[in-house]
Amino acid sequence: GQQLNQSPQSMFIQEGEDVSMNCTSSSIFNTWLWYKQEPGEGPVLLIALYKAGELTSNGRLTAQFGITRKDSFLNISASIPSDVGIYFCAGQLTSGTYKYIFGTGTRLKVLA
Amino acid sequence: DTAVSQTPKYLVTQMGNDKSIKCEQNLGHDTMYWYKQDSKKFLKIMFSYNNKELIINETVPNRFSPKSPDKAHLNLHINSLELGDSAVYFCASSQGGGRGYTFGSGTRLTVV
Repeated sequence: GQQLNQSPQSMFIQEGEDVSMNCTSSSIFNTWLWYKQEPGEGPVLLIALYKAGELTSNGRLTAQFGITRKDSFLNISASIPSDVGIYFCAGQLTSGTYKYIFGTGTRLKVLA
Repeated sequence: DTAVSQTPKYLVTQMGNDKSIKCEQNLGHDTMYWYKQDSKKFLKIMFSYNNKELIINETVPNRFSPKSPDKAHLNLHINSLELGDSAVYFCASSQGGGRGYTFGSGTRLTVV
């Protein structure tokens, strides 16, 4: 089935560093979402993007909807220990439909 | 608390048994979903109901049957459980299709 590739698959970073991750596909998407999942919990929505080129922030998090509509990027500035978790992108192929395809996830581990 | 709540949180059962997972949302959303997360953390949609009508039915064995008695509830019944059914099952809800989902905290199913 359809799959979104996320990069990197996992990363260790020092507290205070900035983090970048991306999500790519061969298909064009109408909406991109970014979620964070902590152990034992469900994914929680961080940022939603609706237009090509859109740049949206949520605190230390900034996400962008790629110009080609085939990719999206998430940046975390000045990482802290509670940023630990798995970050998922999710894309909606067709506007108004209910189905999102999830990425393979980026596992973030912060070294204090 | 407004939320998507699933029960049980953990379910351990023997192969061949039949089991159900319940989900309720009090967000007033009109659409509910079941997702399966495998051991590699990959999230895949299984079913979706919009106002009690099945709108997404992915390639899932017939042993899995969703039921939505009203738009606030979506249950998942699994017959003749197999070892490969072991996973975390997430319920989610949304209002319309465009703004992403709110996930429950998951049900970890272990088939032994």
